[in-house]
Amino acid sequence: AQSVTQPDIHITVSEGASLELRCNYSYGATPYLFWYVQSPGQGLQLLLKYFSGDTLVQGIKGFEAEFKRSQSSFNLRKPSVHWSDAAEYFCAVAPRSNDYKLSFGAGTTVTVRA
Amino acid sequence: GAGVSQTPSNKVTEKGKYVELRCDPISGHTALYWYRQSLGQGPEFLIYFQGTGAADDSGLPNDRFFAVRPEGSVSTLKIQRTERGDSAVYLCASSLGQGARKAAILTGELFFGEGSRLTVL
Repeated sequence: AQSVTQPDIHITVSEGASLELRCNYSYGATPYLFWYVQSPGQGLQLLLKYFSGDTLVQGIKGFEAEFKRSQSSFNLRKPSVHWSDAAEYFCAVAPRSNDYKLSFGAGTTVTVRA
Repeated sequence: GAGVSQTPSNKVTEKGKYVELRCDPISGHTALYWYRQSLGQGPEFLIYFQGTGAADDSGLPNDRFFAVRPEGSVSTLKIQRTERGDSAVYLCASSLGQGARKAAILTGELFFGEGSRLTVL
């Protein structure tokens, strides 16, 4: 069965520390891959996406993600977190055959402590 | 407006009642999507419109759910005989249209509204 897994429900990180959020997927073929962020009172916002080519992709707000085909993973990273990064983060995939149909993971809530 | 607008932002209703949720997409976006986000879960696809027609409604959970987009702009999600399990945040998104369908997805240009929170008592 096709699935998207975010193993960490909640992560707490100190301001200035690095952050890594995990995402694993199970699909018949490599799908398109996305990371979205959802802040309170705001809609989902796209951070970055991977379609093909360079496996390390850069996004907005200083985020990057690395696609690893052998591990079926697409982990999100940020070298130094800011308090404003506190939010919920969603990994999403879209099959290449139906590229409009996003499937989201359950999300990881990030808390940033001073 | 500049973004995707959804109304109402909050709706509380009683079991068995009928509910309508409205989505006003970004001007010029011909593709429109509805997703549902239950507590503690990621959004789940419900339906995709290209223009006025539903191109894919495979995510609608049952025949109590229906969505329309009569003029290819505003869309309404309609839920009949609401049940407590329908309680969720209903998200609407829009993107560029048919001609750029793949391009819109490939560039990730899916713009989401803030959602309508539905509570069924």
